[in-house]
Amino acid sequence: QVHLVESGGGVVKPGGSLRLSCAASGFTFSNYYMSWIRQAPGEGLEWVSWISTSSSTILYADSVKGRFTISRDNAKSSLYLQMDSLSAEDTAIYYCARSGLSGPDFDYWGQGTPVTVSS
Amino acid sequence: QSVLTQPPSASGTPGQRVTISCSGGSSNIGSHAVNWYQQLPGAAPKLLIYVNHQRPSGVPDRFSASKSGTSASLAISGLQSEDEGDYYCAAWDEALNWVFGGGTKLTVL
Repeated sequence: QVHLVESGGGVVKPGGSLRLSCAASGFTFSNYYMSWIRQAPGEGLEWVSWISTSSSTILYADSVKGRFTISRDNAKSSLYLQMDSLSAEDTAIYYCARSGLSGPDFDYWGQGTPVTVSS
Repeated sequence: QSVLTQPPSASGTPGQRVTISCSGGSSNIGSHAVNWYQQLPGAAPKLLIYVNHQRPSGVPDRFSASKSGTSASLAISGLQSEDEGDYYCAAWDEALNWVFGGGTKLTVL
Protein backbone atom coordinates (compact mmCIF):
# COMPACT_ATOMS: atom_id res chain seq x y z
CA GLN A 1 0.00 0.00 0.00
CA VAL A 2 1.07 3.56 -0.63
CA HIS A 3 2.89 5.10 2.29
CA LEU A 4 4.27 8.63 2.58
CA VAL A 5 6.10 9.60 5.76
CA GLU A 6 7.30 13.15 6.34
CA SER A 7 10.02 14.08 8.80
CA GLY A 8 12.31 16.97 9.65
CA GLY A 9 9.81 19.40 11.10
CA GLY A 10 10.46 21.30 14.29
CA VAL A 11 10.87 24.70 15.88
CA VAL A 12 13.14 27.23 14.18
CA LYS A 13 13.84 30.92 14.71
CA PRO A 14 12.80 33.54 12.14
CA GLY A 15 15.38 33.70 9.38
CA GLY A 16 16.41 30.12 10.02
CA SER A 17 16.38 27.05 7.80
CA LEU A 18 14.88 23.59 7.90
CA ARG A 19 14.96 20.59 5.57
CA LEU A 20 11.91 18.37 5.33
CA SER A 21 11.97 14.83 3.98
CA CYS A 22 9.25 12.53 2.67
CA ALA A 23 9.95 8.82 2.43
CA ALA A 24 7.78 6.97 -0.06
CA SER A 25 6.97 3.28 -0.23
CA GLY A 26 4.41 0.94 -1.76
CA PHE A 27 4.68 2.36 -5.28
CA THR A 28 7.24 3.19 -7.96
CA PHE A 29 8.28 6.62 -6.74
CA SER A 30 10.03 7.61 -9.96
CA ASN A 31 6.77 7.30 -11.90
CA TYR A 32 4.92 9.96 -9.93
CA TYR A 33 4.95 13.72 -9.61
CA MET A 34 5.25 14.94 -6.03
CA SER A 35 4.16 18.04 -4.17
CA TRP A 36 4.42 19.77 -0.83
CA ILE A 37 1.22 21.25 0.57
CA ARG A 38 0.95 23.07 3.90
CA GLN A 39 -1.74 23.96 6.39
CA ALA A 40 -1.27 26.79 8.86
CA PRO A 41 -2.87 26.31 12.30
CA GLY A 42 -6.64 26.52 11.99
CA GLU A 43 -6.38 27.40 8.32
CA GLY A 44 -6.98 25.76 4.96
CA LEU A 45 -4.67 24.01 2.55
CA GLU A 46 -2.01 25.86 0.55
CA TRP A 47 -0.04 24.26 -2.26
CA VAL A 48 3.69 24.99 -1.86
CA SER A 49 5.70 23.26 -4.56
CA TRP A 50 5.63 20.54 -7.26
CA ILE A 51 8.35 18.49 -8.93
CA SER A 52 8.20 16.33 -12.03
CA THR A 53 9.37 12.73 -12.14
CA SER A 54 12.85 13.58 -13.42
CA SER A 55 13.12 16.91 -11.56
CA SER A 56 13.21 18.66 -14.93
CA THR A 57 10.21 20.83 -14.07
CA ILE A 58 9.72 22.50 -10.71
CA LEU A 59 6.98 24.89 -9.63
CA TYR A 60 6.62 27.07 -6.53
CA ALA A 61 3.89 29.12 -4.97
CA ASP A 62 4.70 32.82 -5.04
CA SER A 63 4.72 32.85 -1.23
CA VAL A 64 7.81 30.60 -1.09
CA LYS A 65 9.56 31.31 -4.39
CA GLY A 66 13.23 32.12 -3.85
CA ARG A 67 13.22 30.75 -0.30
CA PHE A 68 12.18 27.10 -0.64
CA THR A 69 13.79 24.42 -2.81
CA ILE A 70 12.11 21.15 -3.69
CA SER A 71 14.13 18.14 -4.76
CA ARG A 72 13.83 14.38 -5.04
CA ASP A 73 16.05 11.31 -5.04
CA ASN A 74 14.34 8.58 -7.05
CA ALA A 75 16.96 6.03 -6.01
CA LYS A 76 16.00 6.62 -2.38
CA SER A 77 12.27 7.12 -3.07
CA SER A 78 12.49 10.38 -1.21
CA LEU A 79 11.22 13.92 -1.59
CA TYR A 80 12.76 16.95 0.08
CA LEU A 81 11.95 20.57 0.85
CA GLN A 82 14.76 22.91 1.82
CA MET A 83 13.24 25.91 3.55
CA ASP A 84 15.35 29.04 4.07
CA SER A 85 14.64 32.54 5.38
CA LEU A 86 11.73 31.23 7.36
CA SER A 87 9.16 33.57 8.86
CA ALA A 88 6.20 33.15 11.19
CA GLU A 89 3.95 32.93 8.13
CA ASP A 90 5.61 29.61 7.27
CA THR A 91 4.36 27.99 10.46
CA ALA A 92 2.23 25.05 9.33
CA ILE A 93 1.90 21.33 8.98
CA TYR A 94 3.70 20.31 5.81
CA TYR A 95 2.30 17.40 3.82
CA CYS A 96 3.87 15.60 0.89
CA ALA A 97 1.41 14.32 -1.70
CA ARG A 98 1.57 12.17 -4.81
CA SER A 99 0.15 12.87 -8.24
CA GLY A 100 -0.12 10.34 -11.05
CA LEU A 101 1.19 11.05 -14.56
CA SER A 102 -2.31 10.63 -15.91
CA GLY A 103 -4.08 10.17 -12.65
CA PRO A 104 -5.57 12.45 -10.06
CA ASP A 105 -3.57 15.16 -8.37
CA PHE A 106 -2.71 14.59 -4.71
CA ASP A 107 -4.22 11.11 -4.56
CA TYR A 108 -2.19 10.10 -1.50
CA TRP A 109 -0.93 12.28 1.35
CA GLY A 110 1.47 11.73 4.20
CA GLN A 111 0.52 12.40 7.81
CA GLY A 112 2.40 15.71 7.80
CA THR A 113 5.27 17.19 9.77
CA PRO A 114 4.82 20.37 11.83
CA VAL A 115 7.00 23.41 11.36
CA THR A 116 6.93 26.25 13.88
CA VAL A 117 8.81 29.48 13.24
CA SER A 118 9.11 31.41 16.47
CA SER A 119 11.68 33.39 18.37
CA GLN B 1 -8.15 34.94 0.86
CA SER B 2 -8.43 31.70 -1.14
CA VAL B 3 -8.69 31.77 -4.94
CA LEU B 4 -11.57 29.29 -4.82
CA THR B 5 -14.55 30.30 -2.70
CA GLN B 6 -16.36 27.85 -0.44
CA PRO B 7 -18.89 28.46 2.33
CA PRO B 8 -17.10 28.29 5.69
CA SER B 9 -19.65 25.92 7.15
CA ALA B 10 -22.40 23.45 6.30
CA SER B 11 -24.54 21.20 8.43
CA GLY B 12 -27.18 18.53 8.31
CA THR B 13 -28.81 15.80 10.31
CA PRO B 14 -28.07 12.11 9.81
CA GLY B 15 -29.62 10.81 6.62
CA GLN B 16 -29.96 14.25 5.06
CA ARG B 17 -28.38 15.46 1.82
CA VAL B 18 -25.90 18.31 2.01
CA THR B 19 -24.20 20.23 -0.78
CA ILE B 20 -21.02 22.30 -0.67
CA SER B 21 -20.26 24.82 -3.39
CA CYS B 22 -16.93 25.92 -4.82
CA SER B 23 -16.63 29.01 -6.97
CA GLY B 24 -13.63 29.95 -9.06
CA GLY B 25 -12.77 31.63 -12.31
CA SER B 26 -11.96 31.05 -15.95
CA SER B 27 -8.29 30.38 -15.20
CA ASN B 28 -8.95 27.51 -12.82
CA ILE B 29 -12.31 25.76 -12.55
CA GLY B 30 -13.44 27.18 -15.88
CA SER B 31 -10.53 25.51 -17.66
CA HIS B 32 -9.45 22.60 -15.49
CA ALA B 33 -10.78 19.68 -13.52
CA VAL B 34 -11.84 19.99 -9.92
CA ASN B 35 -10.83 17.67 -7.11
CA TRP B 36 -12.38 17.42 -3.67
CA TYR B 37 -10.55 16.41 -0.49
CA GLN B 38 -11.93 15.31 2.85
CA GLN B 39 -10.05 16.05 6.05
CA LEU B 40 -11.43 14.32 9.11
CA PRO B 41 -10.50 15.72 12.54
CA GLY B 42 -6.83 15.22 13.33
CA ALA B 43 -6.13 13.46 10.03
CA ALA B 44 -4.40 14.27 6.77
CA PRO B 45 -6.51 15.20 3.76
CA LYS B 46 -7.82 12.36 1.61
CA LEU B 47 -8.82 12.45 -2.05
CA LEU B 48 -12.61 12.24 -2.25
CA ILE B 49 -13.47 13.19 -5.84
CA TYR B 50 -11.22 13.72 -8.86
CA VAL B 51 -11.74 15.07 -12.37
CA ASN B 52 -14.97 16.80 -11.37
CA HIS B 53 -17.04 13.75 -10.50
CA GLN B 54 -14.91 10.57 -10.34
CA ARG B 55 -14.72 8.63 -7.08
CA PRO B 56 -11.53 6.78 -6.11
CA SER B 57 -12.07 3.17 -5.15
CA GLY B 58 -13.30 2.90 -1.59
CA VAL B 59 -15.20 6.19 -1.57
CA PRO B 60 -18.92 5.50 -1.01
CA ASP B 61 -21.36 6.50 -3.72
CA ARG B 62 -23.04 8.74 -1.14
CA PHE B 63 -20.43 11.26 -2.29
CA SER B 64 -21.01 12.86 -5.67
CA ALA B 65 -19.85 16.01 -7.39
CA SER B 66 -20.36 18.07 -10.49
CA LYS B 67 -18.91 21.06 -12.31
CA SER B 68 -20.53 23.73 -14.41
CA GLY B 69 -18.70 26.69 -15.86
CA THR B 70 -16.56 28.25 -13.14
CA SER B 71 -18.30 26.51 -10.24
CA ALA B 72 -18.37 23.06 -8.75
CA SER B 73 -20.33 21.35 -6.03
CA LEU B 74 -20.00 18.36 -3.75
CA ALA B 75 -23.06 16.49 -2.55
CA ILE B 76 -23.20 14.10 0.38
CA SER B 77 -26.37 12.05 0.67
CA GLY B 78 -27.39 9.83 3.56
CA LEU B 79 -25.27 11.99 5.87
CA GLN B 80 -23.45 10.05 8.59
CA SER B 81 -21.73 11.21 11.76
CA GLU B 82 -18.38 10.01 10.43
CA ASP B 83 -18.68 12.50 7.54
CA GLU B 84 -18.04 15.36 9.95
CA GLY B 85 -14.88 17.20 9.00
CA ASP B 86 -13.48 19.71 6.54
CA TYR B 87 -13.95 19.57 2.78
CA TYR B 88 -11.75 21.32 0.24
CA CYS B 89 -12.07 21.86 -3.50
CA ALA B 90 -8.95 22.32 -5.62
CA ALA B 91 -8.01 22.96 -9.23
CA TRP B 92 -5.03 23.77 -11.37
CA ASP B 93 -4.74 27.45 -12.24
CA GLU B 94 -3.30 28.94 -15.43
CA ALA B 95 -0.96 30.99 -13.24
CA LEU B 96 1.01 27.75 -12.90
CA ASN B 97 -0.11 26.72 -9.47
CA TRP B 98 -2.73 24.66 -7.72
CA VAL B 99 -5.40 26.55 -5.84
CA PHE B 100 -7.56 25.36 -2.99
CA GLY B 101 -10.82 26.58 -1.59
CA GLY B 102 -10.81 27.89 1.95
CA GLY B 103 -12.52 24.75 3.14
CA THR B 104 -16.02 23.99 4.44
CA LYS B 105 -16.49 22.64 7.94
CA LEU B 106 -19.28 20.06 7.84
CA THR B 107 -21.17 19.48 11.07
CA VAL B 108 -23.54 16.55 11.51
CA LEU B 109 -26.18 17.69 13.97
